[in-house]
Amino acid sequence: GESVGLHLPTLSVQEGDNSIINCAYSNSASDYFIWYKQESGKGPQFIIDIRSNMDKRQGQRVTVLLNKTVKHLSLQIAATQPGDSAVYFCAENQGGATNKLIFGTGTLLAVQP
Amino acid sequence: GAVVSQHPSWVICKSGTSVKIECRSLDFQATTMFWYRQFPKQSLMLMATSNEGSKATYEQGVEKDKFLINHASLTLSTLTVTSAHPEDSSFYICSARDEGQNNQPQHFGDGTRLSIL
Repeated sequence: GESVGLHLPTLSVQEGDNSIINCAYSNSASDYFIWYKQESGKGPQFIIDIRSNMDKRQGQRVTVLLNKTVKHLSLQIAATQPGDSAVYFCAENQGGATNKLIFGTGTLLAVQP
Repeated sequence: GAVVSQHPSWVICKSGTSVKIECRSLDFQATTMFWYRQFPKQSLMLMATSNEGSKATYEQGVEKDKFLINHASLTLSTLTVTSAHPEDSSFYICSARDEGQNNQPQHFGDGTRLSIL
């Protein structure tokens, strides 16, 4: 099902530190996972994705780790910058032909200068 | 590439008004688009899947007569909130994927803020 929460978990980090944002997904049949960044008043912006046949994928300053055994996904941001401050969502594609994405609760990343 | 555009960005209108929101894929075609709703400090909730040339598929609990979806071309889907009331006030977001390319993620529009007075 879909995750909806009244309070966004918040991660507060110092500028320059590394950030790790975690996500638990619900469906073991999900075969594709995406991390999105959402700034205030805007739509989600694609960051990085990973398929279920992989356990790690790296991009520019970001790394996604997938642990299918415990249905856990993480996003690591290296050398966090003030511009990284936003809400981060993981999304799972539950497989099949529909390509529907189910979003996690989201985490607010607050970068302190 | 893979730009999704929504219009309008903001709508403020009186209770009872019907409001149409457009979602366009600017540089690709999409037989399928998705409509989401987001309340403040909450996640995106999938409302429906818009299918080009056929009926939309609605998620459980979403009233199809309240939220009319039309996907008449490969680059345009519209969501009409009929007889809107204050409880319909929300942030509505659409997404689409470039189906002409393999392994592409969903890309999102910048949303439409709907405020019903």
